[in-house]
Amino acid sequence: DTAVSQTPKYLVTQMGNDKSIKCEQNLGHDTMYWYKQDSKKFLKIMFSYNNKELIINETVPNRFSPKSPDKAHLNLHINSLELGDSAVYFCASSQDLWVNEQYFGPGTRLTVT
Amino acid sequence: AQSVTQLGSHVSVSEGALVLLRCNYSSSVPPYLFWYVQYPNQGLQLLLKYTTGATLVKGINGFEAEFKKSETSFHLTKPSAHMSDAAEYFCAVSGIIQGAQKLVFGQGTRLTINP
Repeated sequence: DTAVSQTPKYLVTQMGNDKSIKCEQNLGHDTMYWYKQDSKKFLKIMFSYNNKELIINETVPNRFSPKSPDKAHLNLHINSLELGDSAVYFCASSQDLWVNEQYFGPGTRLTVT
Repeated sequence: AQSVTQLGSHVSVSEGALVLLRCNYSSSVPPYLFWYVQYPNQGLQLLLKYTTGATLVKGINGFEAEFKKSETSFHLTKPSAHMSDAAEYFCAVSGIIQGAQKLVFGQGTRLTINP
């Protein structure tokens, strides 16, 4: 059983389109995250949610809008896609807001052409 | 503010040789330190973590790391490399900032194992 799952695994789209990435965790965790990994493998946090409430927003453009319908799901919607949005996006979860291991999903490779 | 510097973006060792991946951190709060491994086209998996207590931490797959506060380091070692250790390794520092955990990653070190 996959602990943290993401769909789709690959996403190829054109500039200006709107797309969504879905994330689900079956670990019963309270906290979920979105990370962006660029072409040089650098990982940076974008958002964190705790029990459906936004906790961290790392100065991400307004085109990125996370949504958490329940604490097991954290989806990422991106409007007006740009070339620079091409990256691998990772979802992660942890037991709570405190310092705990984060469990990562397999990633979604987004390519904007 | 927190930051992590991994010395060497690429490390190459022979199978059976010692693996040493270097990590130095900066933190304005007591640091919690992690090493994650990323195999090709996969997500990150936790190797080991330091929170409090014993400064020598043992992880999975024979890896260990030692927290040295005076040197602000958390280097990762394995006595004998195996071909399956080839992957990207990330050091990360975490602290509670504004009531929430924030994990900051280093730039990663690609480990190559030569037969």
